[in-house]
Amino acid sequence: AQSVTQLGSHVSVSEGALVLLRCNYSSSVPPYLFWYVQYPNQGLQLLLKYTSAATLVKGINGFEAEFKKSETSFHLTKPSAHMSDAAEYFCAVRPPGNQFYFGTGTSLTVIP
Amino acid sequence: ETGVTQSPTHLIKTRGQQVTLRCSSQSGHNTVSWYQQALGQGPQFIFQYYREEENGRGNFPPRFSGLQFPNYSSELNVNALELDDSALYLCASSSITDEQFFGPGTRLTVL
Repeated sequence: AQSVTQLGSHVSVSEGALVLLRCNYSSSVPPYLFWYVQYPNQGLQLLLKYTSAATLVKGINGFEAEFKKSETSFHLTKPSAHMSDAAEYFCAVRPPGNQFYFGTGTSLTVIP
Repeated sequence: ETGVTQSPTHLIKTRGQQVTLRCSSQSGHNTVSWYQQALGQGPQFIFQYYREEENGRGNFPPRFSGLQFPNYSSELNVNALELDDSALYLCASSSITDEQFFGPGTRLTVL
């Protein structure tokens, strides 16, 4: 069975501080992995994706994520938080096939 | 290039009614997936349509049904609405093997 676990439903960081959002997945075969961001009353926007190429993936808005197979993790980081980063973040896994499995989300608050 | 659009933006229905939600896929995409996102939850996969055929279904009852048209736009139909159907319904379009691009969603409230 496929699943995604996002540790910490709420994360608060100070403006300029490191952002670390955690994602662990379970999949019987190497999956594709994604991070999406959702702003209030909007759909999901793709931040970055891992598709079995480089394990360190760079995305938009300064975010990056590292695929660690041994830890079944795909944590999202950003060196310096900006106020505009406040949003809901979703990790998703797509094993071979077409269905996406999403985590329950992490709400990021950025404190000025 | 136009993105994924959904209509209506908001909808209020009562229990037992039926609802139809619409999605226009992004230009060049032949696959549409529908998701239900309850408040405070991640999106849950309902089903996917590829070239007008259902191509995968999540754990949703048969009263959730869909269609895809020759222009790859899609409809989600929900019959016999229940209070728990209140959610944001998201449509995503893609090529069959690529990442999904999401629309803004339709907020359905069932009273």
